[in-house]
Amino acid sequence: AQKVTQAQTEISVVEKEDVTLDCVYETRDTTYYLFWYKQPPSGELVFLIRRNSFDEQNEISGRYSWNFQKSTSSFNFTITASQVVDSAVYFCALSENRDDKIIFGKGTRLHILP
Amino acid sequence: ETGVTQTPRHLVMGMTNKKSLKCEQHLGHNAMYWYKQSAKKPLELMFVYNFKEQTENNSVPSRFSPECPNSSHLFLHLHTLQPEDSALYLCASSQGSSDTQYFGPGTRLTVL
Repeated sequence: AQKVTQAQTEISVVEKEDVTLDCVYETRDTTYYLFWYKQPPSGELVFLIRRNSFDEQNEISGRYSWNFQKSTSSFNFTITASQVVDSAVYFCALSENRDDKIIFGKGTRLHILP
Repeated sequence: ETGVTQTPRHLVMGMTNKKSLKCEQHLGHNAMYWYKQSAKKPLELMFVYNFKEQTENNSVPSRFSPECPNSSHLFLHLHTLQPEDSALYLCASSQGSSDTQYFGPGTRLTVL
């Protein structure tokens, strides 16, 4: 069975603070993919990152960074020096190689306060 | 146009109406998806099409009827909906199974 858990339902931080969004997943497969998507108030899900299970290197893209740890089945997302435009719902997701669907977590609503 | 487009962006319909949602992808992808997103509920996968063939139907009521005439277009035909069907309906496409899905802006549906 697949499962993606985003334990933080809602987070509020003041602008310029760093914030980490947690994601824990469950899968029996050895080959799988992990994703993060951003959903701003406009509604469209914006793809942020995709990692495969064989690549545990952390990734940094500007103010965004991702920490993938197979030992704890976690794929956490950190925003450094947050900005108001980062306010959105963020979804973590999992896909297994043999499956043609992505399982999404329930999302974390992030509020960046000016 | 680029990416994934959806029309209409907003739709209000009565329970006896028949309407259709349209999705078009300009990415050359082979798989297309319909999702439903209700308030305070997780994203629900409704249908999956691979190379125009339906490969997933997640126990969706028959009042929702998908159609995929080609790899670039996906429709969701709606009839005799219920107020609880009010939601954001998102379309997505991907190159293949388990590949990254790219989403359209969604259609916000209200059923009166």
